Amino acid sequence: SQKIEQNSEALNIQEGKTATLTCNYTNYSPAYLQWYRQDPGRGPVFLLLIRENEKEKRKERLKVTFDTTLKQSLFHITASQPADSATYLCALDPAEYSGAGSYQLTFGKGTKLSVIP
Amino acid sequence: DAGVTQSPTHLIKTRGQQVTLRCSPKSGHDTVSWYQQALGQGPQFIFQYYEEEERQRGNFPDRFSGHQFPNYSSELNVNALLLGDSALYLCASSLSEGGRDYNDQFFGPGTRLTVL
Repeated sequence: SQKIEQNSEALNIQEGKTATLTCNYTNYSPAYLQWYRQDPGRGPVFLLLIRENEKEKRKERLKVTFDTTLKQSLFHITASQPADSATYLCALDPAEYSGAGSYQLTFGKGTKLSVIP
Repeated sequence: DAGVTQSPTHLIKTRGQQVTLRCSPKSGHDTVSWYQQALGQGPQFIFQYYEEEERQRGNFPDRFSGHQFPNYSSELNVNALLLGDSALYLCASSLSEGGRDYNDQFFGPGTRLTVL
């Protein structure tokens, strides 16, 4: 069966350091992989999307890599700040409709990141 | 633009009751997806509505049903509530245009359902 794993439930990191979160998947061939941020009691907020034919994507202090051979994505936050503390979710989209996204996402459980001042 | 809105914010029901949750998509979006998020878990896909029809369904029983209206807003109905239905119910909207590049999906704030 399809399975998505995010490496750890919680990650503590010192302010200013780079946080690296991992997303591994099995029995899945996603066309798109996305990362979301979720704060307690709120809905997920879209951060970055990477396509199956892309290796790396950047947005400000965020960087995502996608290795379809390893079936793994890494999500990096550089120069981390206490305001980055949240749960980060990895989500896969199989893109079943004419190459466009299906928007029927399969999520991992998330990694709770705490940035310590 | 108000983004995706959901109502109510919180809801308390007892076992066996029925509940209806509502979602208004982001302006310009035509597709609504519903997710269930239990505490400490990632969201799980329930179903998706496009052109007023259920387009795809996740692994949820028939007690979960939905509807999409001509203005693209949507409802999620759950019958015969169980304790295990307690969760945050999220609505997400997107724009479906075949062959176009990927469009962002926006989530609402969710409805917290507690079943006693």
